[in-house]
Amino acid sequence: SQTIHQWPATLVQPVGSPLSLECTVEGTSNPNLYWYRQAAGRGLQLLFYSVGIGQISSEVPQNLSASRPQDRQFILSSKKLLLSDSGFYLCAWTDGVAGNQETQYFGPGTRLLVL
Amino acid sequence: GNSVTQMEGPVTLSEEAFLTINCTYTATGYPSLFWYVQYPGEGLQLLLKATKADDKGSNKGFEATYRKETTSFHLEKGSVQVSDSAVYFCALSDLGSGGFKTIFGAGTRLFVKA
Repeated sequence: SQTIHQWPATLVQPVGSPLSLECTVEGTSNPNLYWYRQAAGRGLQLLFYSVGIGQISSEVPQNLSASRPQDRQFILSSKKLLLSDSGFYLCAWTDGVAGNQETQYFGPGTRLLVL
Repeated sequence: GNSVTQMEGPVTLSEEAFLTINCTYTATGYPSLFWYVQYPGEGLQLLLKATKADDKGSNKGFEATYRKETTSFHLEKGSVQVSDSAVYFCALSDLGSGGFKTIFGAGTRLFVKA
């Protein structure tokens, strides 16, 4: 069966520090991968998605970046965190096979607090 | 563009009450429709889905029917439990030029009191 992991689960970082959040998927090949941010009490904002290694699409311009160095690994980064980067970051995957790409499967999330 | 609108929360109900959370959508194509649930401190998980008009998705006592004529996908449950307390997200998935994109509503928080 497929599983998705995110780490760390919780992170407290000072303003201006770098960020690296990691997401890995097991049990599937060539998934589509997504990063979302959920501000406190709010809905989901799609940040990045990837349909393959090295292929990143950005939905919202900001000081975050994403990379996909391996088929089932998706990394969210920042060189300098802002206070507004605080939130709950969710990684998700969908099956890369045509006809089965619509359902999203989410990881447990990383709660980031920037002070 | 595509969008999803769902009723604002929070919704507070007593145990065994009837639940309705309204969801309407705007789409240029023929999207699939979803309800996801987020329990406190966790990621989202799929609750149910419907892929075409008049389909009914159901799971764990929850139901929603894809109504093309009213562009709606309202979530219902006949008798809620305290364990149903969570945030519920309506969503649509449609095929665009960059592949399938999922658009989420803002979420509706449900509190169920014993």
